[in-house]
Amino acid sequence: QQQVKQSPQSLIVQKGGIPIINCAYENTAFDYFPWYQQFPGKGPALLIAIRPDVSEKKEGRFTISFNKSAKQFSLHIMDSQPGDSATYFCAASRGGANSKLTFGKGITLSVRP
Amino acid sequence: DVKVTQSSRYLVKRTGEKVFLECVQDMDHENMFWYRQDPGLGLRLIYFSYDVKMKEKGDIPEGYSVSREKKERFSLILESASTNQTSMYLCASSSIDRAAFRGGYNEQFFGPGTRLTVL
Repeated sequence: QQQVKQSPQSLIVQKGGIPIINCAYENTAFDYFPWYQQFPGKGPALLIAIRPDVSEKKEGRFTISFNKSAKQFSLHIMDSQPGDSATYFCAASRGGANSKLTFGKGITLSVRP
Repeated sequence: DVKVTQSSRYLVKRTGEKVFLECVQDMDHENMFWYRQDPGLGLRLIYFSYDVKMKEKGDIPEGYSVSREKKERFSLILESASTNQTSMYLCASSSIDRAAFRGGYNEQFFGPGTRLTVL
């Protein structure tokens, strides 16, 4: 049973475009929704995260939109750059200091110059 | 600056060998995790530990064991390596201090990974 589902599986955009990556979850007990970014040869690193008490969070060019009733959240990258080319993972977890993250399968984003 | 290090970037082993993957974090984090990353399957949790000498099974623990004798070190053990364990292995750690980092207590910090090939 896959609790966190990402779409699409891969994405190619031109520089300046706005790629949108979607994520759907099943467990209504989840209350923390991060996006991780991974460059080749590196481990994933936290990009941005949201909790269900807000519907949107923005950090620089990256925005998370959250729809609690639909159990979906998405990542938008404004004015995308070739340096944004990476693998992006959505994840979710329940509250608690010892909680663990459930990751989506990841999406490879390519931003063409 | 936070740092999670893994003992090897690349490792080649033979079927049936016992394999040790080491992970060390310098952030005094309570929680540590082992994942494997495979194309099309994302990150799958193998084991995690929330305290010294404590461990819990993740989603795919079969064929693996772990050891955590010291807070900063978490080892993944393949008792008898098999070809289907060829993968990228990632270690991560997190703090139970909710205010420690911008991601709160759930933010996990990852090492660079170990690419294991079992022949």
